Amino acid sequence: NAGVTQTPKFRILKIGQSMTLQCAQDMNHNYMYWYRQDPGMGLKLIYYSVGAGITDKGEVPNGYNVSRSTTEDFPLRLELAAPSQTSVYFCASSYTNGRNYEQYFGPGTRLTVT
Amino acid sequence: AQSVAQPEDQVNVAEGNPLTVKCTYSVSGNPYLFWYVQYPNRGLQFLLKYITGDNLVKGSYGFEAEFNKSQTSFHLKKPSALVSDSALYFCAVREATGANNLFFGTGTRLTVIP
Repeated sequence: NAGVTQTPKFRILKIGQSMTLQCAQDMNHNYMYWYRQDPGMGLKLIYYSVGAGITDKGEVPNGYNVSRSTTEDFPLRLELAAPSQTSVYFCASSYTNGRNYEQYFGPGTRLTVT
Repeated sequence: AQSVAQPEDQVNVAEGNPLTVKCTYSVSGNPYLFWYVQYPNRGLQFLLKYITGDNLVKGSYGFEAEFNKSQTSFHLKKPSALVSDSALYFCAVREATGANNLFFGTGTRLTVIP
């Protein structure tokens, strides 16, 4: 199993540009998540999904959009990049069945908006 | 509202000495508690969790954590620190009956001195 994979690893955007951060998991997990990690801060939840076709906002959703057309993929879209979106983005997944709640994280995407 | 506090930004310990990384939490109902470790330029790795049962939870790499309901704490411990334990450690919490969203602390950087 590859686990949770993310592409790209690094990206520099100009203000106003758009991009999609890709996330895929091969563990057949029902839940998927997007977090951002700013220096000196914990992870903040952007969006999450409880299954294909179902998404919901997290703590910091403004400026982002997501979709979940398949169980495996959960892309994050930035439409109009702003410097405040400079961060490290982590995708995670979990299989929540009443016993297992731990989330498994991808290696992250480091995004700089200038 | 759920929250996690990690009161120490930095913990230094000599190799071979016991280590403790502190975490306190706030939730409305019963908590599910987690510890994750992050090595440089990597995603978070799951260490251990408390869902129910014994207050002392054992996890990966010789780590353990003690759940203390009266003190709302979930401190991470290891009897004998290794240099390879040096990393960033995150405590996280979710409510037992709430959505499967984790709330993370700001992290504690552990440095084990040879």
